[in-house]
Amino acid sequence: GQNIDQPTEMTATEGAIVQINCTYQTSGFNGLFWYQQHAGEAPTFLSYNVLDGLEEKGRFSSFLSRSKGYSYLLLKELQMKDSASYLCAVTDSNYQLIWGAGTKLIIKP
Amino acid sequence: IAGITQAPTSQILAAGRRMTLRCTQDMRHNAMYWYRQDLGLGLRLIHYSNTAGTTGKGEVPDGYSVSRANTDDFPLTLASAVPSQTSVYFCASKNEGSAGELFFGEGSRLTVL
Repeated sequence: GQNIDQPTEMTATEGAIVQINCTYQTSGFNGLFWYQQHAGEAPTFLSYNVLDGLEEKGRFSSFLSRSKGYSYLLLKELQMKDSASYLCAVTDSNYQLIWGAGTKLIIKP
Repeated sequence: IAGITQAPTSQILAAGRRMTLRCTQDMRHNAMYWYRQDLGLGLRLIHYSNTAGTTGKGEVPDGYSVSRANTDDFPLTLASAVPSQTSVYFCASKNEGSAGELFFGEGSRLTVL
C-alpha cells in the first residue's frame, strides 16, 4: 500500500531551527508538497519538490531525496506564529495526492 | 477576493438527514476536490472533478455524491447522514500552472448525531 510517515508532534523553541521529516512509499512519484495548517484553518501551500535537492524560500527550506523516499522541511528562526501542523503529501504515478497525517509543531518561548 | 468559499462553516445534523455542502471558486480552476479530515489521519479524498461535467471517486466515496455543472461550483451531498460522517470537510481547487498546488476553502465542520 501507499504510505506517508511523519512524526505526530514536535516541540521547538522560539528563534531555533527545527527539521520535520517525511518518508514515503508510493506507487510512483510525481512530486512532494508541504502544506501548513493552523488550528481550525485550511491548509496552505508551502513548497514543492520534484527533483532531488534543497529548495529554499525565506525561513523555510524543503529537501528531497527520491532514492531514499525522504523529504524534510526545515524552519529557521522560529516564530510563535509557526505553531501549526505541517502536512507532507506525495503525488503518485496516477497524479493522485497521498497525504501524511501531519506533524503538529509546538513553539515555546 | 479570489479564492474558494465553502458553506456552511459549521452544521449539526441528525442522522438520516440529507445535507449539501457548498463550494464555489472564482479562480477558474478546472480541477476540484472534496476531502475529509479526521484527527490522526491524513486528508482523505472523497470525490474529485477534473473539469466541468466530469466527476470521479476518491478513496472514501461511499455515502457521498457530487456534481459539477459548471467550473465554479462543486457541491458535496450526504444523502442520509451517519455519525461516522462527522468530520471537517475541505473543498480544494488545483492551480494547473506552477507546481499544481491546491487552494483550500476554510472548511465545513459537520457533526452528525
